[in-house]
Amino acid sequence: DIQMTQSPSSLSASVGDRVTITCRASQSISSYLNWYQQKPGKAPNLLIYAVSSLQSGVPSRFSGSGSGTDFTLTISNLQPEDFATYYCQQSYGNPRTFGQGTKVEIK
Amino acid sequence: QITLKESGPTLVKPTQTLTLTCTFSGFSLGTSEVGVGWIRQPPGKALEWLALIYWDDDNRYSPSLKSRLTITKDTSKNQVVLRMTNIDPVDTATYYCAHGQYGSGSFYFDYWGQGTLVTVSS
Repeated sequence: DIQMTQSPSSLSASVGDRVTITCRASQSISSYLNWYQQKPGKAPNLLIYAVSSLQSGVPSRFSGSGSGTDFTLTISNLQPEDFATYYCQQSYGNPRTFGQGTKVEIK
Repeated sequence: QITLKESGPTLVKPTQTLTLTCTFSGFSLGTSEVGVGWIRQPPGKALEWLALIYWDDDNRYSPSLKSRLTITKDTSKNQVVLRMTNIDPVDTATYYCAHGQYGSGSFYFDYWGQGTLVTVSS
């Protein structure tokens, strides 16, 4: 299985901050990397697919970058509704593994 | 508008077989490059990818669970069924089904059901 490791596991930030979450794959996954946001008690919501393509309706303050094994999700100008848990997921190999999640909390 | 909804038992006894149904609308599983997947999440834990079935009946399973899982589709009923045998308390989780498609080569889940909590207990 391809292991996906996110860092940090949690972070505290303030409204207006720029936040960066890292996702590292145990082997190259080319550009087959997606990001999801999940709020408590809700299903995950797709933010970004194929590393940097913004899903329709997702605010432009979310962006993604990377290739191969190292990827980042950046949230610029953090908003109150962005406090949630974020997951990366690879779609290169089987199973399509998720990272362990990064919880973004209010400072 | 694409919607998905999971249904099935909320309480299952150990060793039993769990059958979950995903009923969807707004798309056809006969459409090229579309799939429906199952993902679960134990309470307070991360997402775990379980299985995926594509428009062409191709399917994929998590290797660690493959011997226990079966995913099937009924295109005419707009349903996907996941069966998991020999259920154990560690299988207690919220189970999600999700619509997936390809974009720029990456397969992603863009619509999710609300999830159904399955508790395994005697």
